[in-house]
Amino acid sequence: QSALTQPRSVSGSPGQSVTISCTGTSSDVGGYNYVSWYQQHPGKAPKLMIFDVNKRPSGVPDRFSGSKSGNTASLTISGLQAEDEADYYCCSYAGSYTHYVFGTGTKVTVL
Amino acid sequence: EVQLVESGGGLVQPGGSLRLSCAASGFTFSSYEMNWVRQAPGKGLEWVLYISGSGSTMYYADSVKGRFTISRDNAKNSLYLQMNSLRAEDTAVYYCARVCSGDCFDAFDIWGQGTMVTVSS
Repeated sequence: QSALTQPRSVSGSPGQSVTISCTGTSSDVGGYNYVSWYQQHPGKAPKLMIFDVNKRPSGVPDRFSGSKSGNTASLTISGLQAEDEADYYCCSYAGSYTHYVFGTGTKVTVL
Repeated sequence: EVQLVESGGGLVQPGGSLRLSCAASGFTFSSYEMNWVRQAPGKGLEWVLYISGSGSTMYYADSVKGRFTISRDNAKNSLYLQMNSLRAEDTAVYYCARVCSGDCFDAFDIWGQGTMVTVSS
């Protein structure tokens, strides 16, 4: 099972919006509405930011939103803030055999 | 407080074995599916193993199949990872992660702090 494809990096100025894509196949992203997104700061454990494509856990700012079209999921961060600078990973359920597959990861830089 | 705490990491020679533990607290451990996720130095996240709440169902990534075993002791609120025939490419931080429940499906809502495993001679 290959990793989901994400851009290596995206950047934006404070207050701007950035969107991270996550491209898979019909066996993972396109086949299930079980895409999640994680934020990871250096040296820290990942933190769940989005689940089930577009739902936010309590405590996650509504600046973070998720969507999906076909085999590609997206995470949008609106009103970019300095503390949003981190690595972001998508993850999809991929069926009972493979089970889960992560994306390659995207570094978000706040200029 | 809902918490996962891993332990057992360290330096091991290629071909050696290591057993990681993950202690859960603050929630009904037996009601949750659990996973091990690893991250090689400077690399991305990789899912490696899954176990159901009862411990009756397990899934393995191809990269560890036949070498790693996941298990749990619900009476002790603990998750385990037995790693055999270790290779240099198994060097990583190993995280235990809880699968969410309720109106949430197949996402990891609680993570441990991670434990480092280094395979080197």
